[in-house]
Amino acid sequence: KNEVEQSPQNLTAQEGEFITINCSYSVGISALHWLQQHPGGGIVSLFMLSSGKKKHGRLIATINIQEKHSSLHITASHPRDSAVYICAIRGNNNDMRFGAGTRLTVKP
Amino acid sequence: DTGVSQDPRHKITKRGQNVTFRCDPISEHNRLYWYRQTLGQGPEFLTYFQNEAQLEKSRLLSDRFSAERPKGSFSTLEIQRTEQGDSAMYLCASSLATGTPSSYNEQFFGPGTRLTVL
Repeated sequence: KNEVEQSPQNLTAQEGEFITINCSYSVGISALHWLQQHPGGGIVSLFMLSSGKKKHGRLIATINIQEKHSSLHITASHPRDSAVYICAIRGNNNDMRFGAGTRLTVKP
Repeated sequence: DTGVSQDPRHKITKRGQNVTFRCDPISEHNRLYWYRQTLGQGPEFLTYFQNEAQLEKSRLLSDRFSAERPKGSFSTLEIQRTEQGDSAMYLCASSLATGTPSSYNEQFFGPGTRLTVL
């Protein structure tokens, strides 16, 4: 079983829809990251969380440490949001473990 | 551009050949990480350096793989006697570890080197 599980694996939405991607993990962490990977392979860090909630533009990330669960929300989705979204956890020994990613396609 | 850079961006090689990739981190960053990502999967941790010291190696890093960061700045990842299973995207990331809680050590990723072993 992977230490980091994401759902769904694939998500197709219509432009304007509210999107939620979930991440569950099974080990103790010092931080959780949400990353965005575009088709060319480049990875951009969206959020780094250790508690609570963060918001950046149309993106919101939440984490519940007790439940070992995080969500990434996208409000008013747009086709340019189409990408793979990856959840990654930083373990207490500072290494990172990644989920398999959620492939999001937003149709106009 | 002051981000993380990797060279080459693409490498095609024949099975059995040696390949070397380079990563230049953000200049003030003291930590440098290597990851491997196969198609449809999330990245997998390979190894990381703090300055020139290699602090952790994944068991994914077989004896055909070696990484160096000789002066604590750029790093190289060498794969000897490449196999078709080595075909993947090799990602480098860097961060600044300040000694404060590790949750502040945000990693910045390079564009990756895509390796194809024929």
